[in-house]
Amino acid sequence: GAVVSQHPSRVICKSGTSVKIECRSLDFQATTMFWYRQFPKQSLMLMATSNEGSKATYEQGVEKDKFLINHASLTLSTLTVTSAHPEDSSFYICSAADRGGGDTEAFFGQGTRLTVV
Amino acid sequence: AQSVTQLGSHVSVSEGALVLLRCNYSSSVPPYLFWYVQYPNQGLQLLLKYTSAATLVKGINGFEAEFKKSETSFHLTKPSAHMSDAAEYFCAVSVNTNAGKSTFGDGTTLTVKP
Repeated sequence: GAVVSQHPSRVICKSGTSVKIECRSLDFQATTMFWYRQFPKQSLMLMATSNEGSKATYEQGVEKDKFLINHASLTLSTLTVTSAHPEDSSFYICSAADRGGGDTEAFFGQGTRLTVV
Repeated sequence: AQSVTQLGSHVSVSEGALVLLRCNYSSSVPPYLFWYVQYPNQGLQLLLKYTSAATLVKGINGFEAEFKKSETSFHLTKPSAHMSDAAEYFCAVSVNTNAGKSTFGDGTTLTVKP
């Protein structure tokens, strides 16, 4: 199956700094990727849809200026958490669908555990 | 719009017993349905999916699920639980042209007792 790789898997940063998380599709091209956030013991909540070559589409309630998404190529999307605060601590997961494979399955990255201290 | 309801946030079974995790969905268009498993601090692994083909879907690790349109259900079952099945399970729904954008249920934590 297709592989989606996320990096880093864990990151600890100081409050007020920015953190970048990468999501790569290793063996397929993804014109669209998705970013989810998961709080402890909770489900995944879609944050935004990352569109290659254009602006991301954010879900209601998600701050665009805080969670910057860039999808510069068909295999890479990045999520930057700007001016991070402890309440941004969470598990962030990306996903992508292989449209060349019929777009019937989403492949998820391993997730990134962000801790803001 | 789509939504998913997983009945039972926690399910506990004995090793060797039947596993039944419930999922009901709502969708205005024909849905794609998925079951994922998540181990602590890891991403999601696809167990199985329904994409309008056979209503009884077999997945990995002995899991299967049956799509029942009349009941809007997609329950996950496994005949005999193994200790390694202990994990968090998520049911998800998406529209048939955009599987990458899914709506997830709240999850069910499966505990397997020896």
